[in-house]
Amino acid sequence: DIQMTQSPSTLSASVGDRVTITCRASERISNWLAWYQQKPGKAPRLLIHRASLLESGVPSRFSGSGSETDFTLTISSLQPDDFATYYCQHYNNYPFTFGQGTKLEI
Amino acid sequence: QGHLVQTGAEVKKPGASVKVSCKASGYSFTDYYIHWIRQAPGRGLEWMGIINPDGGRTTYAPRFQSRVTISTDTSTTVVYLDLSGLRSDDTAVYYCARGLGFIKPFDLWGQGTLVTVSS
Repeated sequence: DIQMTQSPSTLSASVGDRVTITCRASERISNWLAWYQQKPGKAPRLLIHRASLLESGVPSRFSGSGSETDFTLTISSLQPDDFATYYCQHYNNYPFTFGQGTKLEI
Repeated sequence: QGHLVQTGAEVKKPGASVKVSCKASGYSFTDYYIHWIRQAPGRGLEWMGIINPDGGRTTYAPRFQSRVTISTDTSTTVVYLDLSGLRSDDTAVYYCARGLGFIKPFDLWGQGTLVTVSS
């Protein structure tokens, strides 16, 4: 199975900050990577797919980059609604696997 | 658009089985694959398996292969997750989610079903 490793596990930030979360795959996955946002008690929400393509309805302050093994999710100017947990996921082959999550907190 | 609505919480004893359902609406049911993903309390996301509603082909994560069955009823647009041999570490929220193809991310999720395994 492909292992996905996110860093940091927890990130403290303030409204207006620019933040970056990284995700590393244990094997090359081209750009078959997605990012999800999850709030407490809710299902995850797809933010980005194919490493850098913004899902419809997702604010443009979110962006993704990377390929093969190293990926990043950037939020350009944090808004109060962005404080949540973020997960990367590869979908290069089965089984799909997720990173362990990054909790973004104030 | 579309919606995935799951059945309510379940409490089961160790060794029992549980069947969770996921009702799809608002889109063409056979155009999307349905996955099951679980999340133990305070933990991350774990992919369990996938079904193609158009034909019923399934693929399971190796660690669940012997205990999980995913099925579908196209007449009612419902997908089922059946997990047997329940253990306390199967306590989790179980989500269904759809993907546009066999290798696609999940663009729509159900609300989740809490399954608690306790004696």
